[in-house]
Amino acid sequence: GQQVMQIPQYQHVQEGEDFTTYCNSSTTLSNIQWYKQRPGGHPVFLIQLVKSGEVKKQKRLTFQFGEAKKNSSLHITATQTTDVGTYFCAWHPSGANSKLTFGKGITLSVRP
Amino acid sequence: NAGVTQTPKFQVLKTGQSMTLQCAQDMNHEYMSWYRQDPGMGLRLIHYSVGAGITDQGEVPNGYNVSRSTTEDFPLRLLSAAPSQTSVYFCASSYSGMGTDTQYFGPGTRLTVL
Repeated sequence: GQQVMQIPQYQHVQEGEDFTTYCNSSTTLSNIQWYKQRPGGHPVFLIQLVKSGEVKKQKRLTFQFGEAKKNSSLHITATQTTDVGTYFCAWHPSGANSKLTFGKGITLSVRP
Repeated sequence: NAGVTQTPKFQVLKTGQSMTLQCAQDMNHEYMSWYRQDPGMGLRLIHYSVGAGITDQGEVPNGYNVSRSTTEDFPLRLLSAAPSQTSVYFCASSYSGMGTDTQYFGPGTRLTVL
């Protein structure tokens, strides 16, 4: 079956450092979404990537979809304490449009 | 719009008790779903619905029932609660459930089963 790994599971950074996390799939994805969940909160949609090699930016966050559409990355430049939370990638398994599946997420902590 | 609402916010049950987690959305979304979130496990899909009268199982459906009699509501029923069902439950909705739709999540219900 389709396997999408989100690595690493936890990361601790000093405020001001850059941070990157990845989602890697064993098969080609039609699209990928990223969500953020603040501590004690609920997941909130950040971005969607559809095209091969697509890059989208939201202020200090840069999202990329790999050329083969098998991986995606989230890069945060100069982390701030407001970036704390868990970041999930999400995708639809092949042939199952309605079953949005989430990775295990990466929990980011930022030391002020 | 209130978006996606869930009740209750917190619940404590004893093993064997039954209860219903409520979920409602006012965005006229066709697609609704239930996830559970456990430490280190991410979000796992329990059940989903692509429209009123239509439901299907997700990844972890055992021990849960759903029904969708209206577009707005999608309750999740625990028939006989077990400690393994201690979790945070999120309801989500989207316009159609198609691959490019944005999912909107409710605030969650934190359930403890003793």
